[in-house]
Order: sequence, then structure tokens, then C-alpha cells
Amino acid sequence: AQSVAQPEDQVNVAEGNPLTVKCTYSVSGNPYLFWYVQYPNRGLQFLLKYITGDNLVKGSYGFEAEFNKSQTSFHLKKPSALVSDSALYFCAVRDNYGGSQGNLIFGKGTKLSVKP
Amino acid sequence: DTEVTQTPKHLVMGMTNKKSLKCEQHMGHRAMYWYKQKAKKPPELMFVYSYEKLSINESVPSRFSPECPNSSLLNLHLHALQPEDSALYLCASSLQTSGAFEQFFGPGTRLTVL
Repeated sequence: AQSVAQPEDQVNVAEGNPLTVKCTYSVSGNPYLFWYVQYPNRGLQFLLKYITGDNLVKGSYGFEAEFNKSQTSFHLKKPSALVSDSALYFCAVRDNYGGSQGNLIFGKGTKLSVKP
Repeated sequence: DTEVTQTPKHLVMGMTNKKSLKCEQHMGHRAMYWYKQKAKKPPELMFVYSYEKLSINESVPSRFSPECPNSSLLNLHLHALQPEDSALYLCASSLQTSGAFEQFFGPGTRLTVL
């Protein structure tokens, strides 16, 4: 079965420190991976995606993600966290199988809290 | 225009009411989606329209009725809802359903069913 796992419910980081939000996936075929961010009472905002090519993907707001095929991971990173980065982060993979092909399979989400 | 808009922002309705949610995009996207999201949970896919045709219905109860009048508009008609249907309803669009095109989400409609 295709799935996405975000092993941490919450990540706490001090402002200015690097942050990592973890994501692992299980999918048949080539993985198409996405990161979204959701601020309170808002919709999801697209941050970045991996389709093919360079394993380090750069996205919006200074975020980047590293694709690791051998570890089936796609961790989200930022070199220096801001208080305004505090939000709920979702990793997603494109469903490559069956009737829902093309749709997104979301992880459960990770709440990022950046303290001043 | 790189935005998906949704109206209304908030909606309170009784269990016998009929109401509609509206979603609009002018990005030329041919795939549109309805999701339901409970607090602090990931979005759950409800319906997918591809080129204005319903392509996926994720076993959603018939009290939810989607409609896609044209390539820019998506409606969700609500009737005889239950309190457990209270949630954030998100609309999204993408260039098409195939490929690895990202979905753009609207801000959502916060629905409360009394």
C-alpha cells in the first residue's frame, strides 16, 4: 500500500537554528513528493516538490528538501528558522496506483513551533 | 491570477438546511478537488473533477453533491448534514490530474452543522 509517514507530531526549534521536518514514503513506481504548509484557519500552501533530477529541491520561503531514494525519505529543511515558520506541515506523495491515481496521499502532519 | 477563492469563509447551518459552497480559479486548471479537513488532521479527498467531469467520488454520502458548471467553477451542495460533518472544506485545483502537478488550495470554508 502506498503511504507517507511523518514520525513527529511536533518539532520545536529556537529561532535562528536549523530545522528539519521528517517524511518517509512508500510508493510503487517513481515517487512524486510534495511539501505543503498550513497556517491556522487557512488553506494549504505549496512549498516544493520533487519529480526527478537533483536530490536537493529548493522551494518557497527559504525551505528546501532532500530526496533520499535508499532511505525513502524526503525531509524538509531550513538553515535558519523564523518564528513566522510556526505552522502545520504536510508531506504528500502522488498516488501511482489504482482508481485514485494522480491524487495526493498526505502524511498526518507535523506541527512546527519556533520560539524566539 | 494564481489564486483559488472560496465562499463563504464561514457557514453555520442546521441539519435540515440546504446550502452551497463555491470555489473559483482562473489559472486554466482542468482538475478541481474537494477536501474535508478536521482540526489538526490531513485533508481527506472527497471528489475530483477532471475536465469538468466527475472522475473520483471517495464514497462520500449523498448529502454532499458536487457540481462543476464550467472549467473555472466548482460547487458543493449540502443538504441534511450531520453535526459530524462540521469541518474545514477545502477546494484545490491543478493543471490536470495526470503528471506531477502541484495542487493549489483555497483558504477553505469553515462549516458548522448544528
